[in-house]
Amino acid sequence: DAGVIQSPRHEVTEMGQEVTLRCKPISGHNSLFWYRQTMMRGLELLIYFNNNVPIDDSGMPEDRFSAKMPNASFSTLKIQPSEPRDSAVYFCASSGRDLRSYNEQFFGPGTRLTVL
Amino acid sequence: RKEVEQDPGPFNVPEGATVAFNCTYSNSASQSFFWYRQDCRKEPKLLMSVYSSGNEDGRFTAQLNRASQYISLLIRDSKLSDSATYLCVVRSGGFKTIFGAGTRLFVKA
Repeated sequence: DAGVIQSPRHEVTEMGQEVTLRCKPISGHNSLFWYRQTMMRGLELLIYFNNNVPIDDSGMPEDRFSAKMPNASFSTLKIQPSEPRDSAVYFCASSGRDLRSYNEQFFGPGTRLTVL
Repeated sequence: RKEVEQDPGPFNVPEGATVAFNCTYSNSASQSFFWYRQDCRKEPKLLMSVYSSGNEDGRFTAQLNRASQYISLLIRDSKLSDSATYLCVVRSGGFKTIFGAGTRLFVKA
């Protein structure tokens, strides 16, 4: 079974450029989460969706960050314009409806973003 | 004060040792608790959920103390393959999920 799919796996860009990260959740899962991980701050929840609707975006650091989930099988996280302090690993995770999968969040492999 | 706090370690233990990690959380309304494992440059993966009565999965035992607001993870008979970062995770209402910074474990031969 395919797990959570993220693309690209690595992204190197210059300050000021727009960056778009993509995520395909596990089929049938109805919740999707975007996280950012850095050495300094650890793993931070940025935003999560339930049934394609954003539920809590209080973790989004600032207006330069935006996330969408146009359908149940796709989500994007966009940074515009990007800054060097945005350099991090961005994880997408999904969670399903049944008891076990309700508890467990399945993570994608992450996108390693470097902003020069 | 951070919402979820862990000793970052590292813990350096020999194979076969027993090692314990603790984690404290500040939100008394927290409802669900988990331990995740993260290998170097990999994504986090669920190790085990933590139930009020405590639970065991092979060499791993998790405990929850709601009164003192801490969670523990005990690893018995450590293996080289247990070397990883262990993340304490707390969930409040809905899907609001807070990860601790993680405790690094190195098991040496």
